[in-house]
Amino acid sequence: GAGVSQSPSNKVTEKGKDVELRCDPISGHTALYWYRQRLGQGLEFLIYFQGNSAPDKSGLPSDRFSAERTGESVSTLTIQRTQQEDSAVYLCASSPDDANYGYTFGSGTRLTVV
Amino acid sequence: QKEVEQNSGPLSVPEGAIASLNCTYSDRGSQSFFWYRQYSGKSPELIMFIYSNGDKEDGRFTAQLNKASQYVSLLIRDSQPSDSATYLCAVNGGGSSNTGKLIFGQGTTLQVKP
Repeated sequence: GAGVSQSPSNKVTEKGKDVELRCDPISGHTALYWYRQRLGQGLEFLIYFQGNSAPDKSGLPSDRFSAERTGESVSTLTIQRTQQEDSAVYLCASSPDDANYGYTFGSGTRLTVV
Repeated sequence: QKEVEQNSGPLSVPEGAIASLNCTYSDRGSQSFFWYRQYSGKSPELIMFIYSNGDKEDGRFTAQLNKASQYVSLLIRDSQPSDSATYLCAVNGGGSSNTGKLIFGQGTTLQVKP
């Protein structure tokens, strides 16, 4: 696609429910990243996929968070048993290789846990 | 110590002035440095990247890198009200391995007053 596409753009969920966030990277981009941005804060790294290599999951805050990626295409970030502190904008980005020229972000999913 | 540090601001400058945004980083092995601009409610967009010590100019923007001091800065000349945004500094988090993972600072909010 022309850009990184994320869905849904907004999600309101009840505490304790599971949510799935989707990211469709730019076609041909082998690297895909998930970040979280709480209100008024910087970007917090969550997970990084590069081609067929094992993902770098070092930023996932708890075992309630998981992510999958099928080949070099779509990725899904799943948050189980959501908590209020999970409320944030979840940003996905992609890059052609190892991000020597930076990455392109999607428009994000704003998650609100009530 | 945070890996990438920025003064949160706000930094307020009059229209037409030079805005100077600063960033320090802790990993001496970092090789790639990026500046992103983020308007309120929007996702970050890449405006500059720099790899080598010294200055890199692109239009009204100049990035400056000093690896010995672990310092990177962004100068915006002839600041315009449309430059009002949060500026995020990002550093590749892989050290000597130069992986694609970027570590972001908290961002500096710039306000350009007409």
